Amino acid sequence: DQQVKQNSPSLSVQEGRISILNCDYTNSMFDYFLWYKKYPAEGPTFLISISSIKDKNEDGRFTVFLNKSAKHLSLHIVPSQPGDSAVYFCAASAGYQGAQKLVFGQGTRLTINP
Amino acid sequence: EAEVAQSPRYKITEKSQAVAFWCDPISGHATLYWYRQILGQGPELLVQFQDESVVDDSQLPKDRFSAERLKGVDSTLKIQPAELGDSAMYLCASSLGLAGAYEQYFGPGTRLTVT
Repeated sequence: DQQVKQNSPSLSVQEGRISILNCDYTNSMFDYFLWYKKYPAEGPTFLISISSIKDKNEDGRFTVFLNKSAKHLSLHIVPSQPGDSAVYFCAASAGYQGAQKLVFGQGTRLTINP
Repeated sequence: EAEVAQSPRYKITEKSQAVAFWCDPISGHATLYWYRQILGQGPELLVQFQDESVVDDSQLPKDRFSAERLKGVDSTLKIQPAELGDSAMYLCASSLGLAGAYEQYFGPGTRLTVT
């Protein structure tokens, strides 16, 4: 049972344009959501997160939107840069005494074209 | 900047052999996680430690996998015997383990190939 789904395995975007990565979840107990970026042969790097009490969080070029009723979140990157080319994972947690188990989606490979 | 350390970075072993991976979390991080990532999928939790205690090992194949964090700092994940299906990236992550501190920080991983 895939509780966190990223339905687009890949996305190609022109440099300078907006990249939008999507993620859907099924478990209504999830209360915190994170996005990670992964380059080949490296571990995932934390990008941005959002609590279920918010619907938007912004950090520089990155903005995460959460639609709880639709159980959907998205990551917007604007403007997109060549260094943004990587695999992006969304992750969700359900809270457990402060130690959060993360459930990951399958990832979306983002390619930024010059 | 503090980082999670893992070794080795790459390991090739024959099936039925034993392998071990080591992880040193960020100093002060009470919670340590071992994840397995199969190519084309997201990381999946194998085991979670709070200090030296296991808090979740429900997805750990206990007939062949074992994990320990004896002094509540660094940790070892062992596979014995290794099987072809164990070929994957093994990722270690750590977090403060406090309410509200949800971010997990990952090491570079160990790429295991079982032949």
